[in-house]
Amino acid sequence: KAGVTQTPRYLIKTRGQQVTLSCSPISGHRSVSWYQQTPGQGLQFLFEYFSETQRNKGNFPGRFSGRQFSNSRSEMNVSTLELGDSALYLCASSLDNTYYEQYFGPGTRLTVT
Amino acid sequence: AQSVTQLGSHVSVSEGALVLLRCNYSSSVPPYLFWYVQYPNQGLQLLLKYTTGATLVKGINGFEAEFKKSETSFHLTKPSAHMSDAAEYFCAVSENSGYALNFGKGTSLLVTP
Repeated sequence: KAGVTQTPRYLIKTRGQQVTLSCSPISGHRSVSWYQQTPGQGLQFLFEYFSETQRNKGNFPGRFSGRQFSNSRSEMNVSTLELGDSALYLCASSLDNTYYEQYFGPGTRLTVT
Repeated sequence: AQSVTQLGSHVSVSEGALVLLRCNYSSSVPPYLFWYVQYPNQGLQLLLKYTTGATLVKGINGFEAEFKKSETSFHLTKPSAHMSDAAEYFCAVSENSGYALNFGKGTSLLVTP
Protein backbone atom coordinates (compact mmCIF):
# COMPACT_ATOMS: atom_id res chain seq x y z
CA LYS A 1 0.00 0.00 0.00
CA ALA A 2 1.36 3.40 -0.92
CA GLY A 3 2.11 5.75 1.95
CA VAL A 4 1.06 9.33 2.48
CA THR A 5 2.28 11.53 -0.34
CA GLN A 6 2.77 15.27 -0.23
CA THR A 7 3.40 17.63 -3.09
CA PRO A 8 5.45 19.57 -3.69
CA ARG A 9 8.34 18.49 -1.49
CA TYR A 10 10.06 21.85 -1.62
CA LEU A 11 8.69 25.30 -2.26
CA ILE A 12 10.11 28.81 -2.23
CA LYS A 13 7.71 31.74 -2.05
CA THR A 14 7.95 35.46 -1.52
CA ARG A 15 6.43 37.29 1.42
CA GLY A 16 2.85 38.30 0.64
CA GLN A 17 2.19 35.49 -1.80
CA GLN A 18 -0.11 32.56 -1.15
CA VAL A 19 0.64 28.85 -1.37
CA THR A 20 -1.30 25.61 -1.64
CA LEU A 21 0.07 22.31 -0.42
CA SER A 22 -1.39 18.93 -1.29
CA CYS A 23 -1.68 15.68 0.63
CA SER A 24 -2.86 12.28 -0.58
CA PRO A 25 -3.63 9.92 2.30
CA ILE A 26 -3.18 6.20 2.40
CA SER A 27 -5.90 4.46 0.44
CA GLY A 28 -8.95 3.95 2.64
CA HIS A 29 -7.95 6.53 5.23
CA ARG A 30 -10.60 9.16 5.85
CA SER A 31 -8.89 11.41 8.38
CA VAL A 32 -6.19 13.87 7.38
CA SER A 33 -4.31 16.11 9.79
CA TRP A 34 -1.83 18.89 9.13
CA TYR A 35 1.08 19.95 11.33
CA GLN A 36 3.65 22.72 11.12
CA GLN A 37 7.20 21.95 12.24
CA THR A 38 9.68 24.72 12.99
CA PRO A 39 12.91 24.73 15.00
CA GLY A 40 11.52 27.27 17.44
CA GLN A 41 7.95 26.07 18.00
CA GLY A 42 8.37 22.39 17.25
CA LEU A 43 5.43 20.41 15.93
CA GLN A 44 2.12 22.23 16.08
CA PHE A 45 -1.30 21.00 15.04
CA LEU A 46 -3.00 23.00 12.32
CA PHE A 47 -6.27 21.21 11.57
CA GLU A 48 -7.87 17.85 10.96
CA TYR A 49 -10.42 16.77 8.39
CA PHE A 50 -12.66 13.74 8.43
CA SER A 51 -15.05 12.94 5.60
CA GLU A 52 -14.64 16.44 4.11
CA THR A 53 -15.45 18.19 7.40
CA GLN A 54 -13.02 20.11 9.54
CA ARG A 55 -13.31 18.38 12.86
CA ASN A 56 -10.59 20.10 14.85
CA LYS A 57 -8.48 23.22 14.50
CA GLY A 58 -5.31 24.41 16.14
CA ASN A 59 -4.36 27.89 17.23
CA PHE A 60 -3.30 29.41 13.94
CA PRO A 61 -4.47 32.62 12.25
CA GLY A 62 -7.14 32.60 9.60
CA ARG A 63 -4.49 32.87 6.88
CA PHE A 64 -4.13 29.12 7.29
CA SER A 65 -6.99 27.15 5.80
CA GLY A 66 -7.63 23.71 4.46
CA ARG A 67 -10.11 21.46 2.80
CA GLN A 68 -10.69 17.83 2.06
CA PHE A 69 -12.14 16.33 -1.06
CA SER A 70 -14.49 13.39 -1.47
CA ASN A 71 -11.55 11.09 -2.24
CA SER A 72 -9.98 12.14 1.10
CA ARG A 73 -7.19 14.09 -0.54
CA SER A 74 -6.53 17.31 1.31
CA GLU A 75 -5.07 20.70 0.58
CA MET A 76 -3.92 23.44 2.86
CA ASN A 77 -3.59 27.04 1.85
CA VAL A 78 -1.61 29.85 3.41
CA SER A 79 -2.41 33.34 2.24
CA THR A 80 -0.33 36.49 2.63
CA LEU A 81 2.81 34.58 3.50
CA GLU A 82 5.08 35.85 6.25
CA LEU A 83 8.71 35.00 6.88
CA GLY A 84 7.64 33.07 9.98
CA ASP A 85 5.60 30.69 7.87
CA SER A 86 8.81 29.05 6.72
CA ALA A 87 8.51 25.51 8.02
CA LEU A 88 8.12 21.86 7.26
CA TYR A 89 4.43 21.12 6.78
CA LEU A 90 3.50 17.55 7.58
CA CYS A 91 0.36 15.74 6.63
CA ALA A 92 -0.83 12.63 8.44
CA SER A 93 -3.64 10.24 7.67
CA SER A 94 -5.50 7.70 9.76
CA LEU A 95 -8.13 5.11 9.06
CA ASP A 96 -10.77 6.52 11.34
CA ASN A 97 -11.06 8.09 14.74
CA THR A 98 -10.29 5.06 16.87
CA TYR A 99 -6.91 4.75 18.57
CA TYR A 100 -5.65 7.49 16.34
CA GLU A 101 -2.76 5.71 14.67
CA GLN A 102 -1.48 8.36 12.32
CA TYR A 103 0.81 7.85 9.34
CA PHE A 104 2.89 10.81 8.30
CA GLY A 105 4.02 11.92 4.88
CA PRO A 106 7.55 13.23 4.15
CA GLY A 107 6.41 16.83 4.39
CA THR A 108 6.62 19.95 2.25
CA ARG A 109 9.50 22.29 3.04
CA LEU A 110 8.25 25.86 2.56
CA THR A 111 10.72 28.70 2.49
CA VAL A 112 9.39 32.27 2.50
CA THR A 113 11.83 34.97 1.39
CA ALA B 1 -5.24 20.95 28.75
CA GLN B 2 -2.77 18.33 27.64
CA SER B 3 0.96 18.79 27.23
CA VAL B 4 4.18 16.84 26.98
CA THR B 5 7.63 17.55 28.40
CA GLN B 6 10.64 15.74 27.03
CA LEU B 7 13.61 15.96 29.37
CA GLY B 8 16.85 16.49 27.48
CA SER B 9 16.89 17.95 24.00
CA HIS B 10 20.03 15.95 23.22
CA VAL B 11 20.98 12.49 24.45
CA SER B 12 24.20 10.73 23.55
CA VAL B 13 24.80 7.01 24.07
CA SER B 14 27.43 4.53 22.99
CA GLU B 15 26.56 1.80 20.56
CA GLY B 16 25.27 -1.16 22.56
CA ALA B 17 24.31 0.93 25.58
CA LEU B 18 20.85 1.40 27.02
CA VAL B 19 18.71 4.09 25.45
CA LEU B 20 16.41 6.03 27.80
CA LEU B 21 14.40 8.97 26.51
CA ARG B 22 12.20 10.69 29.05
CA CYS B 23 8.66 11.93 28.56
CA ASN B 24 6.25 13.36 31.12
CA TYR B 25 2.72 14.33 30.25
CA SER B 26 -0.05 16.44 31.62
CA SER B 27 -3.63 15.50 30.91
CA SER B 28 -6.97 16.00 32.59
CA VAL B 29 -8.30 12.68 31.30
CA PRO B 30 -6.73 9.28 30.65
CA PRO B 31 -4.39 9.99 27.78
CA TYR B 32 -3.40 8.30 24.59
CA LEU B 33 0.43 8.40 24.41
CA PHE B 34 2.73 7.95 21.44
CA TRP B 35 6.40 7.92 20.52
CA TYR B 36 7.43 8.92 17.01
CA VAL B 37 10.85 8.95 15.34
CA GLN B 38 11.98 11.33 12.62
CA TYR B 39 15.02 10.74 10.45
CA PRO B 40 16.59 13.66 8.58
CA ASN B 41 14.45 15.02 5.75
CA GLN B 42 11.67 12.55 6.48
CA GLY B 43 8.27 12.52 8.11
CA LEU B 44 7.42 10.95 11.44
CA GLN B 45 7.21 7.21 11.97
CA LEU B 46 5.16 5.72 14.79
CA LEU B 47 7.32 3.67 17.17
CA LEU B 48 4.64 2.67 19.67
CA LYS B 49 1.46 3.81 21.32
CA TYR B 50 -0.43 3.42 24.59
CA THR B 51 -4.20 3.59 24.54
CA THR B 52 -5.58 1.25 27.21
CA GLY B 53 -4.66 -2.06 28.76
CA ALA B 54 -1.12 -3.25 29.37
CA THR B 55 1.10 -0.45 30.60
CA LEU B 56 4.29 -1.87 29.06
CA VAL B 57 4.09 -1.27 25.34
CA LYS B 58 6.42 -2.84 22.81
CA GLY B 59 7.09 -1.12 19.53
CA ILE B 60 9.17 -1.46 16.42
CA ASN B 61 12.96 -1.70 16.22
CA GLY B 62 13.26 -3.08 19.77
CA PHE B 63 11.83 -0.02 21.52
CA GLU B 64 9.40 -0.17 24.40
CA ALA B 65 7.77 2.27 26.78
CA GLU B 66 5.98 2.01 30.09
CA PHE B 67 2.96 4.07 31.03
CA LYS B 68 3.20 5.08 34.70
CA LYS B 69 0.10 6.96 35.74
CA SER B 70 1.40 7.78 39.23
CA GLU B 71 4.46 9.44 37.72
CA THR B 72 2.66 10.80 34.64
CA SER B 73 5.50 9.37 32.59
CA PHE B 74 5.92 7.44 29.36
CA HIS B 75 9.68 6.92 29.00
CA LEU B 76 11.08 5.22 25.91
CA THR B 77 13.77 2.57 26.26
CA LYS B 78 15.85 0.23 24.14
CA PRO B 79 18.28 -2.24 25.71
CA SER B 80 21.04 -1.85 23.15
CA ALA B 81 21.53 1.15 20.88
CA HIS B 82 22.40 0.77 17.22
CA MET B 83 23.99 3.40 15.02
CA SER B 84 20.80 3.41 12.96
CA ASP B 85 18.82 4.62 16.00
CA ALA B 86 20.33 8.11 15.67
CA ALA B 87 17.36 10.36 14.96
CA GLU B 88 14.92 12.81 16.53
CA TYR B 89 12.34 11.28 18.87
CA PHE B 90 9.03 12.86 19.74
CA CYS B 91 6.62 12.01 22.52
CA ALA B 92 2.99 12.97 21.91
CA VAL B 93 -0.27 12.96 23.83
CA SER B 94 -3.90 12.98 22.76
CA GLU B 95 -6.80 13.16 25.15
CA ASN B 96 -9.25 11.56 22.76
CA SER B 97 -8.87 9.27 19.82
CA GLY B 98 -9.39 11.18 16.62
CA TYR B 99 -8.16 14.49 18.01
CA ALA B 100 -4.98 16.50 17.68
CA LEU B 101 -1.63 15.23 18.83
CA ASN B 102 0.32 17.49 21.15
CA PHE B 103 4.02 16.87 20.67
CA GLY B 104 6.96 17.43 22.94
CA LYS B 105 9.92 19.47 21.72
CA GLY B 106 11.79 16.35 20.73
CA THR B 107 15.00 14.63 21.81
CA SER B 108 17.88 14.22 19.41
CA LEU B 109 19.57 10.86 19.97
CA LEU B 110 23.23 10.55 19.04
CA VAL B 111 24.81 7.09 18.98
CA THR B 112 28.60 6.98 19.11
CA PRO B 113 30.78 4.02 18.09
